[in-house]
Amino acid sequence: GAGVSQSPRYKVTKRGQDVALRCDPISGHVSLYWYRQALGQGPEFLTYFNYEAQQDKSGLPNDRFSAERPEGSISTLTIQRTEQRDSAMYRCASSLLATDPAGTEAFFGQGTRLTVV
Amino acid sequence: RKEVEQDPGPFNVPEGATVAFNCTYSNSASQSFFWYRQDCRKEPKLLMSVYSSGNEDGRFTAQLNRASQYISLLIRDSKLSDSATYLCVVNPGGSYIPTFGRGTSLIVHP
Repeated sequence: GAGVSQSPRYKVTKRGQDVALRCDPISGHVSLYWYRQALGQGPEFLTYFNYEAQQDKSGLPNDRFSAERPEGSISTLTIQRTEQRDSAMYRCASSLLATDPAGTEAFFGQGTRLTVV
Repeated sequence: RKEVEQDPGPFNVPEGATVAFNCTYSNSASQSFFWYRQDCRKEPKLLMSVYSSGNEDGRFTAQLNRASQYISLLIRDSKLSDSATYLCVVNPGGSYIPTFGRGTSLIVHP
């Protein structure tokens, strides 16, 4: 597709379950970011990749959160043993190459709305 | 102190008004700056990059003040369709992570 695609769009899960959120970036984009956005707030950085290498994961809230991008394209954000406080909009973005100022426009997907009940 | 700070508003203005938003950033080594627009329940989209010399795109003008560490967005002749949240984005020095402010809400009314 032409844009960043995220699935599922909506996910309702019970507390304690694991969830996997998928991001398919724009073809050819090297950099991929995961953000979390609460209502009324800006996107909060979680982690990012260049190709398949995770460059920075300092924004992941705790060790229940992990992400991978094994082939340098599709990425998965996994939350283990979900808690109610994990409920939020999870957004993925991609850019041509983060280290090139000309390539730093981030294109966002429509997000996954996660609700933990 | 947050890396990127914005007044959340909302700014309520009539059609045709001129409105300006500021955003301050804490890292003096920040290299690139942007304004994104986010409509209700939609994803953020790039509105414009902010260059050192300032730049204009139609009714929108962005300025960078490195000495005071702030960027601004000026919207002239506001339209109803300008109603949205405007997110200030900074790439802090040494990092290539777009860092977002919380956004400023603009409501343009007839």
